[in-house]
Parts: sequence; structure tokens; C-alpha cells
Amino acid sequence: AQKVTQAQTEISVVEKEDVTLDCVYETRDTTYYLFWYKQPPSGELVFLIRRNSFDEQNEISGRYSWNFQKSTSSFNFTITASQVVDSAVYFCALRRSNYKLTFGKGTLLTVNP
Amino acid sequence: GAVVSQHPSWVICKSGTSVKIECRSLDFQATTMFWYRQFPKQSLMLMATSNEGSKATYEQGVEKDKFLINHASLTLSTLTVTSAHPEDSSFYICSAEREGGIYGYTFGSGTRLTVV
Repeated sequence: AQKVTQAQTEISVVEKEDVTLDCVYETRDTTYYLFWYKQPPSGELVFLIRRNSFDEQNEISGRYSWNFQKSTSSFNFTITASQVVDSAVYFCALRRSNYKLTFGKGTLLTVNP
Repeated sequence: GAVVSQHPSWVICKSGTSVKIECRSLDFQATTMFWYRQFPKQSLMLMATSNEGSKATYEQGVEKDKFLINHASLTLSTLTVTSAHPEDSSFYICSAEREGGIYGYTFGSGTRLTVV
């Protein structure tokens, strides 16, 4: 079964705090892809990162970083020094072998000034 | 690159009427497009997979006759909500993939449908 779990429904932080969004996945595929998307209040989905199952290197992009650990089936996302503009719903997703995406339920991040 | 245009961004229609939503890949050819539905404060639920030149494949529980999907060209897929009812009110969003999605999926900006 393909499943993505984002246990944190809502997170609220104060600006400049670091915050980590958790993502745990389940798949029987040996080759798979994981994604993070940001959905601001306007509704569009903004692509943040793609990671394939053979690449366990962590990645950093500005204030964003991702920690992929196959041993624990996790693909966590950290925002360093959060800003109000980071407020959005964040989705973790798993690409299945039939090209379809399975989304987690999303984490609503609110960054307060 | 990899832009997907979705129109309209919002629509209000009367119960019983039909509404068509368009999804266009602007700078690439999309043999496969996906249609999702999102209720407030919920995740995206895949409704159907649209394949150019063939019939769409629907997820379990999605009414084929209510949600008509046409993918007539490599750059255009349409979703028609037929005989809309208030319970069809939702946020509909399309996405297109290239190379089987391994390079990511590009999403349209979504259509907020309100049926009154």
C-alpha cells in the first residue's frame, strides 16, 4: 500500500523560529519519488523539491532543508528562521509506480510576527 | 518552463447546469494530466487520470458520468462537471507531468467551483 503520513495537522511558530515538518511514507516500490509542495492561501501548489529513492543526500536550498532517511521512511522538511511568508499548507507526496501522486493530509504552518 | 494554465480560476453556477474547466500545458506536451478535488482544509484527492487520445481512468468512487474528462490534444485536458449540485462545490486542480513525473508535476492554479 502507498501511504503518506503527515502527523502534524497544524503548527504555529513565531517568526525567526526554526520549524520541522514531518513526513513518513509507505511503499513497496524499490524506485520511488518523494515531493514537497507548498499551498499558500491562494490555492496554487508550488513545487519545492523532488527526491528519488536512490538519492539519500540531504538538500539545502536557502532557508529550506530536507532530510531523507530510507531507514525510517521519512522525508522531513525544515524551515530555518521562518518568515510570515512561509505561512501555508505544506504537502508531502509520493509518486507511485503508475505515475500517480499520493498526498499526505498536509500541515498548516502559521508563522506569527 | 513547465507552466500549466487552468481556467477559470473561479466559477459560480446554478444547480443543474454544467461547468467546464480547462487545463493547458503551455510550454510542453503532456500526454498525461491528473484531476484532483480538494475540500476545505483537506488534502488533494485524485479524481482521474487523463490520457491524450484515450479514455480517462477514474479513481474508485468517482462518477464518470458526472465528471467528464476529455484530453483531445497533448496540451489540453478539460473537466466538465455535469448537472452540478451544491455538493460538487469544491476546489478542482489539474496537474501535468513530464517523463512520468520523475521531474515533477506542474499544477494549475485551481478552480473554485460554487454551485448555488
